[in-house]
Amino acid sequence: DTGVSQDPRHKITKRGQNVTFRCDPISEHNRLYWYRQTLGQGPEFLTYFQNEAQLEKSRLLSDRFSAERPKGSFSTLEIQRTEQGDSAMYLCASSDVTRAGTGELFFGEGSRLTVL
Amino acid sequence: GQQLNQSPQSMFIQEGEDVSMNCTSSSIFNTWLWYKQDPGEGPVLLIALYKAGELTSNGRLTAQFGITRKDSFLNISASIPSDVGIYFCAGARFAGGSQGNLIFGKGTKLSVKP
Repeated sequence: DTGVSQDPRHKITKRGQNVTFRCDPISEHNRLYWYRQTLGQGPEFLTYFQNEAQLEKSRLLSDRFSAERPKGSFSTLEIQRTEQGDSAMYLCASSDVTRAGTGELFFGEGSRLTVL
Repeated sequence: GQQLNQSPQSMFIQEGEDVSMNCTSSSIFNTWLWYKQDPGEGPVLLIALYKAGELTSNGRLTAQFGITRKDSFLNISASIPSDVGIYFCAGARFAGGSQGNLIFGKGTKLSVKP
């Protein structure tokens, strides 16, 4: 399968613990995006990278959240000291820079986080 | 965060019926997109619109970019059972520095009439 891959698909953690999600984009795509989706809502933008550079961050990305894309390929999203309000689906998407302006993002299946 | 106003929130369809849904915003967008999300999956792009007034089709789906650039609608003709799911509109400005910030509606959930 050559689509966007996310791991783990599901994560249950206790409040206060740290969690990390990984995203492997479509191989020829150099833009990678993180979105968050809560129940009954549409996805909300968190941040995006072009190659290894983080070009934009949403105000939703508090200082407990950090995203990296060290070699311009896969990306990680870490949430420190998780809170119950962090429970959500974390979606990764990628796009081709020549098509990025068209909004054609390809999404992964998401990583669902439950904070107890 | 900001979200678009999408309606209806949910609707029931009978096979063969036509379906309409729309999306409005208080802000202007340069691009409108429609995605479909099935349970446990990420959104999949259905149609993208880049010009005010543009009407675009993808099989049984037709979408229009409103001339005010503040709205869009999606029609599905002759619905079939696999059309069930959640449909999201998304707007993008793609102006200035923002290249990644798609703003999504809350979704229209399509279900089959019992």
